[in-house]
Amino acid sequence: AQSVAQPEDQVNVAEGNPLTVKCTYSVSGNPYLFWYVQYPNRGLQFLLKYITGDNLVKGSYGFEAEFNKSQTSFHLKKPSALVSDSALYFCAVRDLNTNAGKSTFGDGTTLTVKP
Amino acid sequence: KAGVTQTPRYLIKTRGQQVTLSCSPISGHRSVSWYQQTPGQGLQFLFEYFSETQRNKGNFPGRFSGRQFSNSRSEMNVSTLELGDSALYLCASSGDRGYLGTYEQYFGPGTRLTVT
Repeated sequence: AQSVAQPEDQVNVAEGNPLTVKCTYSVSGNPYLFWYVQYPNRGLQFLLKYITGDNLVKGSYGFEAEFNKSQTSFHLKKPSALVSDSALYFCAVRDLNTNAGKSTFGDGTTLTVKP
Repeated sequence: KAGVTQTPRYLIKTRGQQVTLSCSPISGHRSVSWYQQTPGQGLQFLFEYFSETQRNKGNFPGRFSGRQFSNSRSEMNVSTLELGDSALYLCASSGDRGYLGTYEQYFGPGTRLTVT
């Protein structure tokens, strides 16, 4: 079984400050990890992924995420937050090892960036 | 390249009716997944299709069914609608193995279903 936890329902940061949105996961095999963002009344948009390779992955809009195998974490980060980053963020794990392709999403974290 | 499209965007149905939602994936993508999004339950996986075969199914009752056609387009059907079925239904496609191996999912805008 696979699972994802986003321990914070809400993250508030001031514009220009660094931001971190936390994610931990559980999966039986090699993890395939993703971050998605959802703006109001929109579908989810892919931000970045970790499949293999460097533990620090870079994605869209200046976001990056650090894969930590020992802590089973995949935290989303950005050095300098923008008001336009305010949205709902989802972490997801995909079990491609079993060829099933099922994605499991966290409950989401609402990021609010204040001017 | 065109994104994932879903039709209709909005639906209002009454209890007991059935509904069919449609999803057209990105050209070349063979994996299509469906999710139900509600404020209380978050994103719940319904099922995934790959090359017309259902590869995995979430924990939803048999009233929820789907299929995929040879052109990768997918439909989802919900029979005997209940008030609790009101939700945003999202479709996602991905390249998956055998085609670029991109793995990430690209989501459509969703179909907002309201059951009264």
